[in-house]
Amino acid sequence: DIQMTQSPSTLSASVGDRVTITCRASQSISSWLAWYQQRPGKAPKLLIYKASSLESGVPSRFSGSGSGTEFTLTISSLQPDDFATYYCQHYNSYPLTFGGGTKVEIK
Amino acid sequence: EVQLVESGGGLVQPGGSLRLSCAASGFTFSSYWMNWVRQAPGKGLEWVANINQDGSQKHYVDSVKGRFTISRDNAKNSLYLQMNRLRAEDTALYYCASIDSDNTGYLDFWGQGILVTVSS
Repeated sequence: DIQMTQSPSTLSASVGDRVTITCRASQSISSWLAWYQQRPGKAPKLLIYKASSLESGVPSRFSGSGSGTEFTLTISSLQPDDFATYYCQHYNSYPLTFGGGTKVEIK
Repeated sequence: EVQLVESGGGLVQPGGSLRLSCAASGFTFSSYWMNWVRQAPGKGLEWVANINQDGSQKHYVDSVKGRFTISRDNAKNSLYLQMNRLRAEDTALYYCASIDSDNTGYLDFWGQGILVTVSS
């Protein structure tokens, strides 16, 4: 199984900050990676697919990059709505697996 | 508007069974792979199972193989998860989710989830 490791697990930041979250795969997954946002008490929401493609309707301050085993999600200017937990997920093979999550908290 | 609405959750004793349902609307259900994803209380996301458009292909995470069965009824626009021999570690919020229209494997629409609690 492919293991997905996210870092950091928790991140404290202020509105307007640039934030970067890293996701590493235990083996190459090409660009078969998605990012999700989950607000408390809500279902996950797709942000990015194929490592860097922005889902329709998602603000352009979100961006993704990487390929192979190392990927990043960047929020260029953190907004109040962005305080949430973020998960990466590979879809290179079965089983599909998620990273452990990164909680973005208010500093 | 795409809607996925889960039902059938609740409290069940260890070793018991439960059947989850997911009612889909707002899209051509029969054209999409469908998934179950779960989230234990305070924990991260875990993919559980998925099924292809006509039900001929199914995949499961190892921890549920032989205990859970995913199925669908395209005439009723519904997805199911039959859960047998339930364990305490199956306690979680279970989400129904669709795979993207190109069937590459990311999950583009999610339901709100249904809680399953396994406890005596």
